Amino acid sequence: TQLLEQSPQFLSIQEGENLTVYCNSSSVFSSLQWYRQEPGEGPVLLVTVVTGGEVKKLKRLTFQFGDARKDSSLHITAAQPGDTGLYLCAGAPGAGSYQLTFGKGTKLSVIP
Amino acid sequence: SAVISQKPSRDICQRGTSLTIQCQVDSQVTMMFWYRQQPGQSLTLIATANQGSEATYESGFVIDKFPISRPNLTFSTLTVSNMSPEDSSIYLCSVERSITSGILRGQYFGPGTRLTVT
Repeated sequence: TQLLEQSPQFLSIQEGENLTVYCNSSSVFSSLQWYRQEPGEGPVLLVTVVTGGEVKKLKRLTFQFGDARKDSSLHITAAQPGDTGLYLCAGAPGAGSYQLTFGKGTKLSVIP
Repeated sequence: SAVISQKPSRDICQRGTSLTIQCQVDSQVTMMFWYRQQPGQSLTLIATANQGSEATYESGFVIDKFPISRPNLTFSTLTVSNMSPEDSSIYLCSVERSITSGILRGQYFGPGTRLTVT
């Protein structure tokens, strides 16, 4: 069974601060996806990373896939209250496989 | 992206009864997925539903408890049978989309059905 460990589990920061969320595993994934979920909604896909060492930027969000494709990080610059939500990482085990393994999530609160 | 709707959005059910959750997608998709998200927890895949074949269930989930239908390429249902309070969860359906830009390849989720069993 492939597991994804996310840290921290909870994060409360002031508006304007930077933060990093980590997603780690002992297993190799063919790709890794990051989602944000708000209360009462389904997860919304933010990004998919597929190549070891890959870095993708989405405005103030920077996503990195580890060289060995076992870990990933999400860095948010100058956090805003609108960034508040549950951030989930999810790994796809193999090419063509769609059975995602989700991490437990990081609950982020950005205080104005 | 994909537009996915679910019905009902929430329900409160009595122990021992069954509830059928509907998932409608705005375009044809090969695979649809059903997840469970227990309070304060992450998502757990229940099963994968392909049109024209039986659903494939993950370890810990069985067809008798969670029967799934997939009558066409835009619709699926999940039934939670003989419910107990432990079935209280958010149930989510999703589809896989691959877009050539790459950055948006992934799963797209419905808004979820919040089930409370009393």
